[in-house]
Amino acid sequence: KAGVTQTPRYLIKTRGQQVTLSCSPISGHRSVSWYQQTPGQGLQFLFEYFSETQRNKGNFPGRFSGRQFSNSRSEMNVSTLELGDSALYLCASSLGDTLGDEQFFGPGTRLTVL
Amino acid sequence: AQSVSQHNHHVILSEAASLELGCNYSYGGTVNLFWYVQYPGQHLQLLLKYFSGDPLVKGIKGFEAEFIKSKFSFNLRKPSVQWSDTAEYFCAVNAGSNSGYALNFGKGTSLLVTP
Repeated sequence: KAGVTQTPRYLIKTRGQQVTLSCSPISGHRSVSWYQQTPGQGLQFLFEYFSETQRNKGNFPGRFSGRQFSNSRSEMNVSTLELGDSALYLCASSLGDTLGDEQFFGPGTRLTVL
Repeated sequence: AQSVSQHNHHVILSEAASLELGCNYSYGGTVNLFWYVQYPGQHLQLLLKYFSGDPLVKGIKGFEAEFIKSKFSFNLRKPSVQWSDTAEYFCAVNAGSNSGYALNFGKGTSLLVTP
């Protein structure tokens, strides 16, 4: 079974631009969660989607948004990029039926904002 | 504030030494607890998890963890580490209905096992 895939793996953007990251979950998984990983703050939850609906949201500004498609693939968008948005963005998928389902993580997208 | 604390940021051990990594959380109510590992160049992967029942849970590669509710702790242990255990270890908490499906992670512990 193929794992969670994320594209692109690396991105370089400049301040003020926007970016879209993509995540394809494991086949059969309906929940996709996004996390931001930085050396200073560690892993922080951004949001979670299930069956095309945002089910949970972390404490990030409105510049961070996401969506999920009918095939469970998810995209995350960051508008008006700031230097502090430089991070590894991780996507995780799970069945989504039970709280505490195992989440399977992808390799991440490394975003650098110049 | 609700948080997950991992006491040791960097640990260096010799092969065959015993390992214990501390994790404390500050959430009330029912929690689901996890330890994830990230080997160099690889994805985060689940080591073990606790939902309910026996507070001593066993995971992959000889790891185990003990949930002590009174201490809000979920410490990870391994009796004898190997060089291949060199990795970053993350404790995570799902605070049940209070936070939906979100995982709240500790800052991680970097483990280096020397031959």
